[in-house]
Amino acid sequence: RKEVEQDPGPFNVPEGATVAFNCTYSNSASQSFFWYRQDCRKEPKLLMSVYSSGNEDGRFTAQLNRASQYISLLIRDSKLSDSATYLCVVNEGSWGKLQFGAGTQVVVTP
Amino acid sequence: SAVISQKPSRDICQRGTSLTIQCQVDSQVTMMFWYRQQPGQSLTLIATANQGSEATYESGFVIDKFPISRPNLTFSTLTVSNMSPEDSSIYLCSMTHNEQFFGPGTRLTVL
Repeated sequence: RKEVEQDPGPFNVPEGATVAFNCTYSNSASQSFFWYRQDCRKEPKLLMSVYSSGNEDGRFTAQLNRASQYISLLIRDSKLSDSATYLCVVNEGSWGKLQFGAGTQVVVTP
Repeated sequence: SAVISQKPSRDICQRGTSLTIQCQVDSQVTMMFWYRQQPGQSLTLIATANQGSEATYESGFVIDKFPISRPNLTFSTLTVSNMSPEDSSIYLCSMTHNEQFFGPGTRLTVL
């Protein structure tokens, strides 16, 4: 079983709509969680950290459910520029040893 | 944000040869990391490159295949040795500076 699992998508989203997707992780001792964004042929870049109480950054909302071992990302009012692959990333404790999901592809259409 | 550069940005190599990838960061950092991203897959940590000591390799990766150098706090190299087509991948270096930053990657194709 993979350490971090994501629905690969693609999620085809009309511009202005809301899209949400989850990621599950297998290590219950995982300590910190992140969403990264990766554009085609580019390196991953941090989108946001995910906190236990849930957190929001503009149109993006992240939630953590430790009991069920999943995190979620919701994008409101989708923009064309939101089209990318969103990577779920879990830090199991030793900073730098990050476990990456394979990514969820989001395609926002006009 | 941190600046990380890698070179080469891409290369096409023959089976059995070796390629050394260079990574330069704009901050002095104790640990640098090398990842691999195979087509359609997630990033996998190859090793942690500590300045002043030998690199620490993850399960499935060995020093003979992926020797790493870390001569100072801003530079590291990863060599992919005796390459085979299965080594075709994107190789990314990474560092931590308040958050984890990644270099632009080296796209390697082995024929």
